[in-house]
This record gives sequence, structure tokens and C-alpha cells, in this order.
Amino acid sequence: QVHLVESGGGVVQPGRSLRLSCAASGFTFSSHGMHWVRQAPGKGLEWVALISDDGSHKYYEDSMKGRLTISRDNSKNMLYLQLNSLRPDDTAVYYCATARLVWFGDLEYWGQGTLVTVSS
Amino acid sequence: EIVLTQSPATLSLSPGERATLSCRASQSISSYLAWYQQKPGQAPRLLIYDASIRAIGIPARFSGSGSGTDFTLTISSLEPEDFAVYYCLQRSNWPPFTFGGGTKVEIK
Repeated sequence: QVHLVESGGGVVQPGRSLRLSCAASGFTFSSHGMHWVRQAPGKGLEWVALISDDGSHKYYEDSMKGRLTISRDNSKNMLYLQLNSLRPDDTAVYYCATARLVWFGDLEYWGQGTLVTVSS
Repeated sequence: EIVLTQSPATLSLSPGERATLSCRASQSISSYLAWYQQKPGQAPRLLIYDASIRAIGIPARFSGSGSGTDFTLTISSLEPEDFAVYYCLQRSNWPPFTFGGGTKVEIK
């Protein structure tokens, strides 16, 4: 059974950094691409980043490129998202999700999310 | 960037009624479209991928159709647990992967 647990969210001041984590279990983590998606309070879903199964390919949403780093540690079944220079409009629930079938596939299984609040 | 437009924004229906949700793409995306259901306080759940294939464990009352730019999610007979927000997602031309703005199916 696929299980994804995000952590690392919280309240952070504008301009600061935060690293989100996603612990994966119940499947062969190293064989799956992984996505990050966010959802601002009361808003829709926004794709944030994708990393290939081996970590060699990384893609980001343009407006956030330069402030984000996605990474993974396949030896620990962990996915990460480093968020820098945080702004109030980065306030959102951040979800990790598996890529279906191929490393760039649809978002298949999702974690429950971790809330990031950017506020002074 | 491919823009997905979902309509209507809100659909007010009664249990047992048929729901028809639309997702239109700004350019052709072949069949690279997925549908998700999200209930309050929960993560989204994959319902349909490749426009018409039900994901594992999804009831047969959910069906997807379409290709190119116009797609439909149909719920043949609404159950109480189906009242939720539904999103479409395209993976034809990325990055970015893009979601539609969502359709809320509410109880009339």
C-alpha cells in the first residue's frame, strides 16, 4: 500500500527558507518519478516540480524557478523540496505525489500534505 | 503553457442525478488528461487517466471521454460521497503540468 507522508511545513517569515520532506513507503520508490503540487487556501491545485526516478531530471513551475530545489534520496525513500526567499503568496498546502507508469506520468498517489504559512 | 478551462464552476445536483463536467484545453493534448476528486481537508484522488481509463478502485459510475481539446467526466448517478471538487490535469505539453480551475459538485 502506497504511503506518502509530508513534513516540514510551518509558519515562516517572508524571505526565509524551508525544506519540506516526503517519506515514501509501500512501493519501490527508486522506480518512480515524484511530483510536488501546492494548493493555496481555498484555491485550486498548482503543479510545482517534478523529479525523475533517478534524480537526474528536474523540472519546475516557471514562476517559482530559482527559488525551488527538488531532490531525493533513494537510499532513504525520501523526497525533498527546498523553498527559498519565501513570499506570502507561497502560503499553501504542499503535496507530494507519485508519477504514474513513467517518471513524467500523471500524479497517481498523494500524501496528505503539509501546510506552509508565510507571514511576519 | 496549456490552459485547461473547466465548466461549470459549480454544479448543483441531487443524489441519483447524472453529473456532466467539462474540461477544455487551449490546444490539443491528445488523450493526456486525468481527472481528480478532492473532498474538503483531503488530498486529491486520481479517478481517470488517459482521458477514459478508470484508476484502480474507482467505481464504474465514473467515466471519462474526449480527446484533443474537449473532455468530459460523467458521474452516471451521484452518490452522497461524490459531492466534491473535481479537477482535470494535462500532461501532454510540460513543464508545466497544468490543472483546470475545478468544478464543485454540490448538493441541490
